[in-house]
Amino acid sequence: EAEVAQSPRYKITEKSQAVAFWCDPISGRATLYWYRQILGQGPELLVRFQDESVVDDSQLPKDRFSAERLKGVDSTLKIQPAELGDSAMYLCASSRTGGASGGTEAFFGQGTRLTVV
Amino acid sequence: QKEVEQNSGPLSVPEGAIASLNCTYSDRVSQSFFWYRQYSGKSPELIMSIYSNGDKEDGRFTAQLNKASQYVSLLIRDSQPSDSATYLCAVNKAAGNKLTFGGGTRVLVKP
Repeated sequence: EAEVAQSPRYKITEKSQAVAFWCDPISGRATLYWYRQILGQGPELLVRFQDESVVDDSQLPKDRFSAERLKGVDSTLKIQPAELGDSAMYLCASSRTGGASGGTEAFFGQGTRLTVV
Repeated sequence: QKEVEQNSGPLSVPEGAIASLNCTYSDRVSQSFFWYRQYSGKSPELIMSIYSNGDKEDGRFTAQLNKASQYVSLLIRDSQPSDSATYLCAVNKAAGNKLTFGGGTRVLVKP
């Protein structure tokens, strides 16, 4: 499988600053996910896109987090202002929609490790 | 009740033995089930997917699905030290591609 590209790999930011993460999913993959993974826990969904539309952002803290996927290709997740509790791994994944097997196999990028100080 | 539950472990197994991991889910109409392996500091890597009841084998890995009992399991045969990782169970609900993860089971394979 072609890789999901994410950048940066690591980010250290001060509390109250803005931070942004970028994801370029596998070509042709309509569904894009942003997950947050706190150390020792499983990934938690923040937002899910179908093409350029947000289909699930129920767990996204909208007072400080925003996500967009212009043109239904790459995506950006932003946090403003960052808080100490936002320190975590931010993971992007993509999957197809439909298909004989359900087409829901999701493949992850390398993630961005965020540390808020 | 969490949507997807796993024993956090650690599950300690001797090299060469079988590691058995379990996962239960709450949504009865879930359709697709996945196992991911995650090494410390790395992102999850898909190792198995299963969609129908029964067993699915791929190399040293076997996934087992029982929809009536709402559980999915992963067996790792001939466990190797390189299998030491956290194994994440993920479930896709019927309505669209909402992929929900369990908390993961940490596996330690001792030489």
